[in-house]
Order: sequence, then structure tokens, then C-alpha cells
Amino acid sequence: SQQGEEDPQALSIQEGENATMNCSYKTSINNLQWYRQNSGRGLVHLILIRSNEREKHSGRLRVTLDTSKKSSSLLITASRAADTASYFCATEAGTALIFGKGTTLSVSS
Amino acid sequence: GAGVSQSPSNKVTEKGKDVELRCDPISGHTALYWYRQSLGQGLEFLIYFQGNSAPDKSGLPSDRFSAERTGGSVSTLTIQRTQQEDSAVYLCASSPPGAGVYEQYFGPGTRLTVT
Repeated sequence: SQQGEEDPQALSIQEGENATMNCSYKTSINNLQWYRQNSGRGLVHLILIRSNEREKHSGRLRVTLDTSKKSSSLLITASRAADTASYFCATEAGTALIFGKGTTLSVSS
Repeated sequence: GAGVSQSPSNKVTEKGKDVELRCDPISGHTALYWYRQSLGQGLEFLIYFQGNSAPDKSGLPSDRFSAERTGGSVSTLTIQRTQQEDSAVYLCASSPPGAGVYEQYFGPGTRLTVT
């Protein structure tokens, strides 16, 4: 079963614009992560936010977490063509991670 | 150092055949995970190995799927009598000792196509 659900499913923007993706989850969490996947292959960890944090920054990435709404958002500022990828949120489920279906971001120059 | 490697990168097989997918985790990593990603979907957990403990097989979709981890390192995922719905990208991840579920390093995946 899937814990996280990303929204929107697909997003197309121009270089320089900001991209916002949202994730909703179902059960209580200790942490939430965002991953990027290029061309349907290996995932790269982007950022982890703990349940007692509300916002976290890493370079051009900004992640927020609202545990009362069981939701998180990932903001990519000043997007670049190289940001084109699929983005997934992931939460823990026992011994493994549960991923949503992802948001496919397309950044055109 | 080298990351997680997987082989083959692509595999095309006929329905009914058996396939073996290989994962070489990062040296020293004690935890190893297999996931499956069908087209347009998120990752689906399959199996988890931690050191010498019994693996968590709760994600395996059927008894046609099995996995081994030899010597606490290399892992092989075997799919017997493949079906078309087995077509997916199979991803392996490993974690260092004490890292817990959150510090996973993913390999590039094996794209399996069952014709």
C-alpha cells in the first residue's frame, strides 16, 4: 500500500520559475524524505525533515511539514532544466520506506 | 567509493522463464533492500536483509519471487515463471550499520521486460 501521495502528478514550468510539489501521507511519522529520480532509474536522496521540524532548507530546496494535516511540500526555487525529474516523498513503514507515485517535473529552457 | 551496483541494467525475457537480478551493495553496508517500480508508479517494497537476521519478506508479491544474500553482501532476486505484470524496474538499496531505514543508497536499477 502507498503511504504518500504526491500532487500534482505532472508539472511543467519554465527555467527560473519555482516548482512546488505536495505530498500527503496517512499515518504518523518520525521523518519524511524527498527523493529525485532521473529517467526512471536510481533514486537520489534530497532532504529529510523530522516530525518536530516545520521547515528545512537545502540550497534551492525548501521543505515544509505539517503533521496536523499529514502533508509536506517541496519547493524548488529558480528551477533549471537539470531539475527535470520525478520527485517522490517517502515515509517509514517498519523496515522499509513507502513511496508515493511521484510528481514528474519538466523544466523547459 | 563505489555506489550500489546492479546487473543487468536491462533484461528482456519471455513469459514463463526464470530471471535473476543481482545487487552489489556498498561495501560495509549491512542492510539491503529490494524495491519494484512499475511504470508510472512509486516504489513498492519487496524484501529487506539486515546482517545475519532473517529477512523481512513481507513485500514479496507471490511465491514466484525469492531473494538471497550471500555472505552478507551480494544479493540476488529471483523471479520464477515470469509474467508480463512482472515488467518493472527493480531497484536495490543499501544502508550502513546503525543507519536505520532513512539512509538508503539506491542503485541504478534493472529494467525487466517480460514479453
